[in-house]
Amino acid sequence: DQQVKQNSPSLSVQEGRISILNCDYTNSMFDYFLWYKKYPAEGPTFLISISSIKDKNEDGRFTVFLNKSAKHLSLHIVPSQPGDSAVYFCAVSDNYGQNFVFGPGTRLSVLP
Amino acid sequence: DGGITQSPKYLFRKEGQNVTLSCEQNLNHDAMYWYRQDPGQGLRLIYYSQIVNDFQKGDIAEGYSVSREKKESFPLTVTSAQKNPTAFYLCASRRDPRVGDTQYFGPGTRLTVL
Repeated sequence: DQQVKQNSPSLSVQEGRISILNCDYTNSMFDYFLWYKKYPAEGPTFLISISSIKDKNEDGRFTVFLNKSAKHLSLHIVPSQPGDSAVYFCAVSDNYGQNFVFGPGTRLSVLP
Repeated sequence: DGGITQSPKYLFRKEGQNVTLSCEQNLNHDAMYWYRQDPGQGLRLIYYSQIVNDFQKGDIAEGYSVSREKKESFPLTVTSAQKNPTAFYLCASRRDPRVGDTQYFGPGTRLTVL
């Protein structure tokens, strides 16, 4: 059973509009959450993170929202740019845990 | 430049042969990880190591082996016992596995078994 779900395998958004990527997790013990961006044939690169003591973290065009009661986090990209087209992975961990658990990814396409 | 290197980028092997994938980091990170990526399945953990001369199995360790003789290096051997070895393999490292911190990934190796 998947501990981390990204229910949208793909998402298409017009350039300049908002992209919203969603992630749901099952274990309430997870308290550290990250988003990674991955281009084809490359390793993932870290994008933004949030710990459970916050409900929002912002870095430029990227904002991550955490709803602990719903075990849900989302990544907002505003405004979306064609260079944002990639696969986005959500990852979760307990803060002193050894490992991250990754979601299956969402492929974002930003159309010019 | 600090970073993680994986070589080669593309690797082809015949079925039944063992193959070793290289991963080196000069970030002075304690922890290192191997993941495999398959379409639609995200990243699945194969093995990880928190310290030199110690490593642990991840979720899908069967058919793989690792060693951690040096802090900088964490090679992965894909053995002939791995039933479906064709995949994209990613190595990652993390400064300290005991505190909240991100993992940094290498560029990956695509292994194709013919």
